[in-house]
Amino acid sequence: DAGVIQSPRHEVTEMGQEVTLRCKPISGHDYLFWYRQTMMRGLELLIYFNNNVPIDDSGMPEDRFSAKMPNASFSTLKIQPSEPRDSAVYFCASSTKQGFPYNEQFFGPGTRLTVL
Amino acid sequence: EDKVVQSPLSLVVHEGDTVTLNCSYEVTNFRSLLWYKQEKKAPTFLFMLTSSGIEKKSGRLSSILDKKELFSILNITATQTGDSAVYLCASMNRDDKIIFGKGTRLHILP
Repeated sequence: DAGVIQSPRHEVTEMGQEVTLRCKPISGHDYLFWYRQTMMRGLELLIYFNNNVPIDDSGMPEDRFSAKMPNASFSTLKIQPSEPRDSAVYFCASSTKQGFPYNEQFFGPGTRLTVL
Repeated sequence: EDKVVQSPLSLVVHEGDTVTLNCSYEVTNFRSLLWYKQEKKAPTFLFMLTSSGIEKKSGRLSSILDKKELFSILNITATQTGDSAVYLCASMNRDDKIIFGKGTRLHILP
């Protein structure tokens, strides 16, 4: 398996532009997580899905952020309009709850976003 | 508000030393605690702990959870330069909500 795939790997954009980050989870995984990592705040959970349904989006910073999972193999995180304080590394992770105990999340390589 | 606090924030030791990384948590409906290692890219899973007092080991790494005192430690013995990384601790509650600590940056000097 190729693991969790994210694109793009790096993006530099100007303030006010729309940013769309993409994630393909590991096939067969029914949980998908979006995280943001900065030096100041560490790794923060933004939102997670179970079977394509958003379960908890309380970590989404504000209305400029939205996430979708139209099918089991694809999710997007959109920021519109983007601001310099959104600059961070955004990770996608997937996992499966099959079997007990539930344990490991597999992280993608991350998207490094810079908003100028 | 639920939180996970790691200490120290940063640690520099010589190769061969033993290190102990700390993680304390205050989490409603706590279920498990996880440790991850993050080198230059994405975090990779190390351990999941759900029961108090049961040590988990993987080579030179070991970890234990104390659910009464609400903390966990990660030990690394005979450290090597390849152990240099950020070590992340995370709590998971019964609603599958995960909160990460800010990590301990470990640097091993040759």
